[in-house]
Amino acid sequence: EVQLVESGGGLVQPGGSLRLSCAASGFTFRGFWMHWVRQAPGRGLVWVSGIDNDGGSTTYADSVKGRFTISRDNAKNTLYLQMDSLRAEDTAVYYCARDRDGYGPNFDYWGQGALVTVSS
Amino acid sequence: DIQMTQSPSSLSASVGDRVTITCRASQGINNYLAWFQQRPGKAPKSLIYAASSLQSGVPSKFSGSGSGTDFTLTISSLQPEDFATYYCQQYNSYPPTFGQGTKLEIK
Repeated sequence: EVQLVESGGGLVQPGGSLRLSCAASGFTFRGFWMHWVRQAPGRGLVWVSGIDNDGGSTTYADSVKGRFTISRDNAKNTLYLQMDSLRAEDTAVYYCARDRDGYGPNFDYWGQGALVTVSS
Repeated sequence: DIQMTQSPSSLSASVGDRVTITCRASQGINNYLAWFQQRPGKAPKSLIYAASSLQSGVPSKFSGSGSGTDFTLTISSLQPEDFATYYCQQYNSYPPTFGQGTKLEIK
């Protein structure tokens, strides 16, 4: 059974940093692109970032480019999102999601989400 | 960026009804269109990909159609667990973008 479990969310002040983790199990992690998608309270889904199978290629939404860094450790079956220079508008539930086949950002499995609150 | 527009934004229906949700892309996306269901407080769940392919384990009461710019999700024989918010998403090009959501409520 495919499982994705996020951790690392919490309350952080504006300008601060936070690192999210997503532990994967039930599939060959190194065989799949992975992504982060976020959802602000009461709002819709917004893609944040994606990374290829071996971590050699990354892509970001314009809203987080230069502030967020996606990475992965295939030996630990874990995806990460390092979030720096956080703003109030980054407050959201952050989901990690598996890319179905790497031919496009098509998400077949999602984690339960980690809440990040940016507030003073 | 490709804009995805869903209609309606909300929909009231009764148990047993059949409903259709539409999604329009601001430019052609071939058939690179997915549909997701999200229940309150839960993660999104994949229903349909490639416009009409059913995700493994999803009941056949869910069906999708369309190509190019116009797509539909149809749900037949509504059950209480189907009342949720539904999102379309294009994956023809980066950045992937979602529709604003359609909230399906019990009448």
